[in-house]
Amino acid sequence: SQQGEEDPQALSIQEGENATMNCSYKTSINNLQWYRQNSGRGLVHLILIRSNEREKHSGRLRVTLDTSKKSSSLLITASRAADTASYFCATEDGGFKTIFGAGTRLFVKA
Amino acid sequence: GAVVSQHPSWVICKSGTSVKIECRSLDFQATTMFWYRQFPKQSLMLMATSNEGSKATYEQGVEKDKFLINHASLTLSTLTVTSAHPEDSSFYICSAPLSGRLDNEQFFGPGTRLTVL
Repeated sequence: SQQGEEDPQALSIQEGENATMNCSYKTSINNLQWYRQNSGRGLVHLILIRSNEREKHSGRLRVTLDTSKKSSSLLITASRAADTASYFCATEDGGFKTIFGAGTRLFVKA
Repeated sequence: GAVVSQHPSWVICKSGTSVKIECRSLDFQATTMFWYRQFPKQSLMLMATSNEGSKATYEQGVEKDKFLINHASLTLSTLTVTSAHPEDSSFYICSAPLSGRLDNEQFFGPGTRLTVL
């Protein structure tokens, strides 16, 4: 099962621009996580935001969480070609299960 | 950070054969592990929850007799795809939470690419 939707499904930008990806989910959560996956490879954990947090930063990444709207966004600032990957949000509902969104495929043109 | 390994990283097999995939937590114990399947250009779909010392819990629509899970120790879970068919070709990924952590971060293995001819 999948928790929710991500938009856009695909995003193509120029190097140096910012990239924003959104994620919506359906049930109450303990935390929400963002992952990156390069083509055909495993997942890289980017950032975790707890349900009582509203915003979190890590380097060029900024994540927001709005539990009233059941949505989160991931902002990558000053994007680089190496940021080209698929990005997934994932939620954990307190039952240890991590459920993934559909993902956004980001392509950063050099 | 915690490390989860998978073996093999890729496997090609003939239709009708069974394939075993191992998931190991290398530097921590995992009483629970999760198995995901990912088809090309799609998201990860949770298949089952593997519980050390007890039966696995399967998600709706996942055949437990086809995808056998054994969690025999605190550091090893295995997924056996029985009588594999081409439609089982996929990327299989396991994960394990670090017990005791409040944030319950999952650590993912690098995945196993299964191709059934």
